[in-house]
Amino acid sequence: EVQLVESGGGLVQPGGSLRLSCAASGFTFSSYDMHWVRQATGKGLEWVSAIGTAGDTYYPGSVKGRFTISRENAKNSLYLQMDSLRAEDTALYFCARESHSSSSFDYWGQGTLVTVSS
Amino acid sequence: SYELTQPPSVSVSPGQTASITCSGDKLGTKYACWYQQKPGQSPVLVIRQDNKRPSGIPERFSGSNSGNTATLTISGTQAMDEADYYCQAWDSSTVVFGGGTKLTVL
Repeated sequence: EVQLVESGGGLVQPGGSLRLSCAASGFTFSSYDMHWVRQATGKGLEWVSAIGTAGDTYYPGSVKGRFTISRENAKNSLYLQMDSLRAEDTALYFCARESHSSSSFDYWGQGTLVTVSS
Repeated sequence: SYELTQPPSVSVSPGQTASITCSGDKLGTKYACWYQQKPGQSPVLVIRQDNKRPSGIPERFSGSNSGNTATLTISGTQAMDEADYYCQAWDSSTVVFGGGTKLTVL
């Protein structure tokens, strides 16, 4: 059974840093592109970052230069290093697996909550 | 940047057909997919590659994509289908989500 379990969320002050983790199981982690998607309370989904199997990374303009996605295949883990955090980064952060066959997200974790506030 | 536009809300009576649209420039030249999200839960993929249902998704869910509009259709809508629905597509190497549509079954 495919499982994605996020951790590392919490309360951080504006300008601070936080590192999220996503533990994957039930599939060959190294063979899949992985993503982070966030959702502010009561709002829609927003794509945050992606990492390919070769370690190539992608970001939208809203987080580029502040967030860094990485992976550690030996530990079946995905990470998101978030620096220079802003109030608008407050959200539930999901990790998601990109399907091989359709480039859509076929599995999602339950999310970890990040709150940026003084 | 690329944008996908969805109606904020759609209402449907039980047993009727619900249609949710997603509009974007030349969206028909890209693959669109759809996610269902119920309160307090993670999104679930219900349509991939415009019109393909993942394993376990009921046949009443279908999709189409042409021109500038992708459409999610739910035939014989049930109370359990009440949820938020998001379309998603790729633009170059970036992922774009629509703003979401709240489907109310009443």
